[in-house]
Amino acid sequence: AQSVTQLDSHVSVSEGTPVLLRCNYSSSYSPSLFWYVQHPNKGLQLLLKYTSAATLVKGINGFEAEFKKSETSFHLTKPSAHMSDAAEYFCVVSEAAAGNKLTFGGGTRVLVKP
Amino acid sequence: DAGVTQSPTHLIKTRGQHVTLRCSPISGHKSVSWYQQVLGQGPQFIFQYYEKEERGRGNFPDRFSARQFPNYSSELNVNALLLGDSALYLCASSPDILVANTEAFFGQGTRLTVV
Repeated sequence: AQSVTQLDSHVSVSEGTPVLLRCNYSSSYSPSLFWYVQHPNKGLQLLLKYTSAATLVKGINGFEAEFKKSETSFHLTKPSAHMSDAAEYFCVVSEAAAGNKLTFGGGTRVLVKP
Repeated sequence: DAGVTQSPTHLIKTRGQHVTLRCSPISGHKSVSWYQQVLGQGPQFIFQYYEKEERGRGNFPDRFSARQFPNYSSELNVNALLLGDSALYLCASSPDILVANTEAFFGQGTRLTVV
């Protein structure tokens, strides 16, 4: 069975400072890992995905995530937050053996202060 | 290119009623999945369809049902609505569920309110 835990339900940062969103996962097989972002009243947009090709994954809008198998973590970072980064972020795991069904974490809401 | 389209965008129903939500996947995508997102929580998997067959079902009661049509569009049906069914219902399409690292593309969702 697969599961995801996002360690912070809310994160507040100042514009221009780094952002760190923490995610731990559990998977029986080699997982695929994703980060999705959801802006208010919008659908889910893929930020990045881990595909086992490289442990450091770069995504859109300056975000990146590092896969650490020994720690079963997939934390999301951005060096400098922008006001437009205010949104809800979801860490997601899937397994090909399970038909690539997505299991979402509880989400982290990011607030960016001017 | 059209993305995943869902209809309607908003819906208000009364307890006990029935509702049908619709989803059109991205052209060429053969898999459609449905997720329920209750306010303040992450989306929860409801159903997955691939090539018109049910390939997975989440932990939801039998009041929830779905189907996929020959053109790969899909409907989600919920009978005997409860207040707790109020949520954002998301549809996701994928080209192939059998390939690892397959990305899912989401629609804007249908906001269902049960009163």
